Amino acid sequence: DVKVTQSSRYLVKRTGEKVFLECVQDMDHENMFWYRQDPGLGLRLIYFSYDVKMKEKGDIPEGYSVSREKKERFSLILESASTNQTSMYLCASSIAGQGNTGELFFGEGSRLTVL
Amino acid sequence: SQQGEEDPQALSIQEGENATMNCSYKTSINNLQWYRQNSGRGLVHLILIRSNEREKHSGRLRVTLDTSKKSSSLLITASRAADTASYFCATETGGFKTIFGAGTRLFVKA
Repeated sequence: DVKVTQSSRYLVKRTGEKVFLECVQDMDHENMFWYRQDPGLGLRLIYFSYDVKMKEKGDIPEGYSVSREKKERFSLILESASTNQTSMYLCASSIAGQGNTGELFFGEGSRLTVL
Repeated sequence: SQQGEEDPQALSIQEGENATMNCSYKTSINNLQWYRQNSGRGLVHLILIRSNEREKHSGRLRVTLDTSKKSSSLLITASRAADTASYFCATETGGFKTIFGAGTRLFVKA
């Protein structure tokens, strides 16, 4: 069964802390994505990666960075957490498809609270 | 601005009734997808319909796509309490961009 695993379901951090959100997929998918989800706003794309060591900015990359050193792992980094980054973070993966995302497989989400 | 917008924002029905959710979008698309999300969980893919398709079925789900009106609908027939969830449409325009709407919250009363 396909699986996308996010390492932390709930995190509480303080303003200014560095935060790592880890995501691992076991489907050998080329594409991986980080979204944040806020009430009334749907999902917004932060960063995506279509290959190892490749990364592209999404719609809201400010305040975030990513790392993809291995095909199965895509990490989201908040260099200095701020309260407006309190949100649900969702990782997803998909099979490579000619510049299309295709069907996305999501993890269970990481709910981050920044105090 | 959001590409896809669902309507209604919330829907409450009795078990056994049909549930219809609509999605409108603004620009040309490659495909449109519907996802489901149970409270506090990740999204689960339900169905994908390509821009050259007009209707697609999967079990109790029926999706239509009208590219001339830039709209889609998701019909869940004979709803069950377990269908209670939020439903999102997502439009793909190419370049790895899949844009999600804000979702419809469906509540099915037993």
